[in-house]
Amino acid sequence: DAGITQSPRYKITETGRQVTLMCHQTWSHSYMFWYRQDLGHGLRLIYYSAAADITDKGEVPDGYVVSRSKTENFPLTLESATRSQTSVYFCASSDIASSGMNTEAFFGQGTRLTVV
Amino acid sequence: LAKTTQPISMDSYEGQEVNITCSHNNIATNDYITWYQQFPSQGPRFIIQGYKTKVTNEVASLFIPADRKSSTLSLPRVSLSDTAVYYCLVGGIGDDKIIFGKGTRLHILP
Repeated sequence: DAGITQSPRYKITETGRQVTLMCHQTWSHSYMFWYRQDLGHGLRLIYYSAAADITDKGEVPDGYVVSRSKTENFPLTLESATRSQTSVYFCASSDIASSGMNTEAFFGQGTRLTVV
Repeated sequence: LAKTTQPISMDSYEGQEVNITCSHNNIATNDYITWYQQFPSQGPRFIIQGYKTKVTNEVASLFIPADRKSSTLSLPRVSLSDTAVYYCLVGGIGDDKIIFGKGTRLHILP
């Protein structure tokens, strides 16, 4: 199916464990993004990637690791999960128009992560 | 990236036109203004984008005055299903990041 998909949709993990959230897009968009959204708040950018093998920090990168070996995948890893990382995580992708602007971003369904 | 300021929340009634204003005083010459909509338990969805004057699509209109220091998203004849959070973003050519502010929580009443 075309689009952007995240897995898992729900995850409960224990403090200190490593957990990886997956994101896959089928459009071959250049850009991919990871956001977290805490209850009742806006989205905060964790990491983003402009192309395969190019990643950069966003607003709240501490405690997270990303990689992008293939254009279509952008996994987010919490190396040692903490309770403060309990949140809803959204992945998104966008492309660059001929104008040089980022085109609209398409978001996945989100992953609800609970760290106990 | 230009900082944006929007009302935290707004209430309106079904059938009314709703206008949400966003301030972006330090908008740069090559910046565009983009609005997203987010329903509960879903990711944001692009609504509209503009540079100056007025842009209209099937969902909304975007009004941008000549000085571009603010913009207004207009939703015609809202329904209960328009209850959502609306985000105003400002960014331009060469901006890699897409940064969201706190948004405006719009609540439509019957």
